[in-house]
Order: sequence, then structure tokens, then C-alpha cells
Amino acid sequence: SQTIHQWPATLVQPVGSPLSLECTVEGTSNPNLYWYRQAAGRGLQLLFYSVGIGQISSEVPQNLSASRPQDRQFILSSKKLLLSDSGFYLCAWSVLLGSEQYFGPGTRLTVT
Amino acid sequence: SQELEQSPQSLIVQEGKNLTINCTSSKTLYGLYWYKQKYGEGLIFLMMLQKGGEEKSHEKITAKLDEKKQQSSLHITASQPSHAGIYLCGADIDGYALNFGKGTSLLVTP
Repeated sequence: SQTIHQWPATLVQPVGSPLSLECTVEGTSNPNLYWYRQAAGRGLQLLFYSVGIGQISSEVPQNLSASRPQDRQFILSSKKLLLSDSGFYLCAWSVLLGSEQYFGPGTRLTVT
Repeated sequence: SQELEQSPQSLIVQEGKNLTINCTSSKTLYGLYWYKQKYGEGLIFLMMLQKGGEEKSHEKITAKLDEKKQQSSLHITASQPSHAGIYLCGADIDGYALNFGKGTSLLVTP
């Protein structure tokens, strides 16, 4: 069966520090991968999605970037964190674009 | 962009009572997904609806999509504490990702 992992589970980082969040999927090949951010009262915001290795589409211009170095690995990064980057980051995968997505357990990021 | 409005924003029900959560779109829905999220955790996929008038059930949860495919409802029968959490509806955006409503927070009291 397919599983999706995210780490770390929680992270507290000072403003201006770099960020790297990792997401990996097991049990499937060539998944579509997504990064979402969930902030209080604002719902889920799609940040990036990827249809294959090295292919990244950005939905919202911001302080973050994403990379997909391997088929089942998706990384969310920042060179310098802002206070507004705080939130709950969720990774998801799907078989088809626009079809049901399966979510990881999330990473709670607090920027201080 | 397609906006999804969920109502109510929050709900407190007594254990054993029925409840309904609504999800309304400004545009026709070509794929409507219901998820459940416990606080601080990822989203769990519940059901997907595609056809107008479609209805699906899983245990005590029933989801419906209206004939016009612009509104969906999630109905829980005889609610239990295990039903507590945040329910989110999501819809296909332009064929590549899902757009989500802000969620409905459900609390089930003894």
C-alpha cells in the first residue's frame, strides 16, 4: 500500500534562517506531488505541485521554493524565513492530476 | 478561481444527533472531494462525487452532490465522538490540483 511521510513533524525556526521540509511517498511510481500551507482561518493554500522529477509549478509567488530530486521525494525550501511563513505544511500525492489526493501527516512550522 | 464556501464554520452537536455540513461552489463542480482532518494532522480522504445527483455512503457518513453540481452536503447520522474534527470539501481546479473550502469544525459532546 502507499504511504506518505513528512518530516520533521514540528519545527521552530528564527526569522532569516533557512528551511528544508521533506516529503517522501512509498508504494507508487511517478506520483503527482503537492505542497499546501494551512494557516488559521485561511484554509488550505496550494503552494507547488510537480508532475515529475525536476518539474515544479508554483502557484503563489512567495519566499518559498520546491524541488523534486527523485521520483518520490518532494522538498520545500526557503533561504530566509519570514514570520508569515509560519503555518502547517502538508504534502500530498495523487495518481492523476485533479483526482483525489492523499495527504501526509504535516509539519507545523513556527517562525519566531 | 473557483471558490468553495462551507457552512457552518463550526458545529457542536450532542452525541447521537444527526448533522449536515454544506459545501457550495460558484461554478460547476466536476469533482468534489470530502476530507476529514484531526487537529494537527493530515487530511483523510472520505469520498469523491462526480455525477449530478450522486450519493455515497461510508459507515454513518453520507455525501451528496446536487443535480446542478454546485452544492454538496455531508450528513452524519448518530454522531459519535470519533466524528469530531475538521471537514473540508475540495474541488478540482483546472484539472491539476484541488481547491479547498475553509473547513467546518465539528465537536461532538457526550
